[in-house]
Amino acid sequence: QVQLQQSGAELAKPGTSVKLSCKASGYTFTSYYIYWVRQRPGQGLEWIGYIYPGNGGSYYSEKFKGKATFTTDTSSSTAYMLLGSLTPEDSAYYFCARRFYSSPSWFPYWGQGTLVTVSS
Amino acid sequence: IRMTQSPASLSASLGETVNIECLASEDIYSDLAWYQQKPGKSPQLLIYNAKSLQNGVPSRFSGSGSGTQYSLKINSLQSDDVATYFCQQYNNYDTFGAGTKLELK
Repeated sequence: QVQLQQSGAELAKPGTSVKLSCKASGYTFTSYYIYWVRQRPGQGLEWIGYIYPGNGGSYYSEKFKGKATFTTDTSSSTAYMLLGSLTPEDSAYYFCARRFYSSPSWFPYWGQGTLVTVSS
Repeated sequence: IRMTQSPASLSASLGETVNIECLASEDIYSDLAWYQQKPGKSPQLLIYNAKSLQNGVPSRFSGSGSGTQYSLKINSLQSDDVATYFCQQYNNYDTFGAGTKLELK
């Protein structure tokens, strides 16, 4: 079965970076985009962007350009998101997700989320 | 595509029927999903293609609509249904609705 396992909670200081991971299993990692979503406490879901492990191609929502950087390690079926120049406003849950199909479709597969807290 | 979800919050009694709506800014041809999210958890898929029930989701959940107007209906509300619900269109890129927080009265 498809599973996305995310790394544990992070506590980071302002100005630093954190690298979150999303380990995929149960399917061919290189055949599906991995999407990243942010959710601030008590707020809605915001798309950060996505990466295609098959060729490393990525897309970033305008708001997150320069903030987030996606990478993948196909040998371990793991996607990563580097969040840089952290501020308290980056404190949030971050989720990875995969569509049902490789083409536009719904998201039945989600990681459990990683809570990032930015505080001095 | 903008998704306008209503109401933003909802208070209902056990056993009651509730409706949540999403209005798309243009026709999304039923490319719509509904998710349930509980605090500190990831969204869980309930409905896809506007009205198809995801495997394992109780039949008291149902989706309807077409064009620009869509609804999620929860029959016989149970305590486990207390959560925030989001719609998502996937017809043209992806957009989430702002969410509906469902509480017990």
